Amino acid sequence: DAKTTQPNSMESNEEEPVHLPCNHSTISGTDYIHWYRQLPSQGPEYVIHGLTSNVNNRMASLAIAEDRKSSTLILHRATLRDAAVYYCILINTGNQFYFGTGTSLTVIP
Amino acid sequence: DTGVSQNPRHKITKRGQNVTFRCDPISEHNRLYWYRQTLGQGPEFLTYFQNEAQLEKSRLLSDRFSAERPKGSFSTLEIQRTEQGDSAMYLCASSPTWTYGYTFGSGTRLTVV
Repeated sequence: DAKTTQPNSMESNEEEPVHLPCNHSTISGTDYIHWYRQLPSQGPEYVIHGLTSNVNNRMASLAIAEDRKSSTLILHRATLRDAAVYYCILINTGNQFYFGTGTSLTVIP
Repeated sequence: DTGVSQNPRHKITKRGQNVTFRCDPISEHNRLYWYRQTLGQGPEFLTYFQNEAQLEKSRLLSDRFSAERPKGSFSTLEIQRTEQGDSAMYLCASSPTWTYGYTFGSGTRLTVV
């Protein structure tokens, strides 16, 4: 599976939007872009995923670049409960997929 | 359905002992995965089942590790002759198909003393 690159850490003020970037320059045409987040001592939690078009759900929005070589997870209004490690993962066939080290998001009250 | 269930939540064992963990996926999910996570690292892939068939195994899954999913429902992960390096969080995930999102359990934290 293709690899992704994310910043190690980011900070955001509470109640402001957060844009978490992910680069995946070697993405293939059938790779789905998934985002998960993980709180300490918990399993990863599914956030959102998409293939080509931008996606919205109750948790977040996913903006996918036209060439699909990058994507951005958008949290519209950060809360303290959004502080977590966010992982961007490419999944193709789903027989195995790999997490990187993710982005640790700190939300400042 | 309450999601992916993993038992036990915590396990402390002495080096050299065998341990077994259980994962109950969401009932209609035919795909099941095991991951291992050490402190400060992202989860590492161990193995993948589609129904009862084990289709992928990582090089991390040494001969001391074995996983089963006998009837395509729950799965077990056994570690024989545990070593201190096996101390980690063991995570299970399931999905109905690869184009859907994956649901993870809360994990089993293993401490080998």
